[in-house]
Amino acid sequence: DVKVTQSSRYLVKRTGEKVFLECVQDMDHENMFWYRQDPGLGLRLIYFSYDVKMKEKGDIPEGYSVSREKKERFSLILESASTNQTSMYLCASSRPGTTTDTQYFGPGTRLTVL
Amino acid sequence: EDKVVQSPLSLVVHEGDTVTLNCSYEVTNFRSLLWYKQEKKAPTFLFMLTSSGIEKKSGRLSSILDKKELSSILNITATQTGDSAIYLCAWGGATNKLIFGTGTLLAVQP
Repeated sequence: DVKVTQSSRYLVKRTGEKVFLECVQDMDHENMFWYRQDPGLGLRLIYFSYDVKMKEKGDIPEGYSVSREKKERFSLILESASTNQTSMYLCASSRPGTTTDTQYFGPGTRLTVL
Repeated sequence: EDKVVQSPLSLVVHEGDTVTLNCSYEVTNFRSLLWYKQEKKAPTFLFMLTSSGIEKKSGRLSSILDKKELSSILNITATQTGDSAIYLCAWGGATNKLIFGTGTLLAVQP
């Protein structure tokens, strides 16, 4: 079974702090994704990566950056957290090839920015 | 701009009822349609439909893709309380990304 893990289930940070969210997958997937999920807005893609050191902006990249130094690990960085970044963050991965193949999700990190 | 719309936004039914959830899309170059179930945590994969596989069934759940009408439905028969969840559909188009709808919140009452 594919396993996608995220470093924290719940996280509380203060405005202006730098926040790291880590995602690790164990299935040698090349594609990895970061989404945020908000009520009424669904899942929105922040960034995705096709391979190590490759990244592409999704629909809402502002205020975020990412890092993919190893194939199994995809990190989301909030350089200076703001209250409007309070959300559920979901990481996903998919098998090599087309991005639209089945994406497997991690358990999510609920981030609260005070 | 690519868009996915799900309806209804929420639904309350009683155990044993049959429900139909809808998903319509406006995307360029359709590639695939996926359905996910999300309970309290991560979305879990249910079905993927493509041009070569427009109908899928698993137990009490089934899904049909209508490429002409640019839509898909997810049917759940003989609903159980364990079916209570958010159901998400996602479309894959020319941009090589999945575009998610906002989801349908299903509540099944005993």
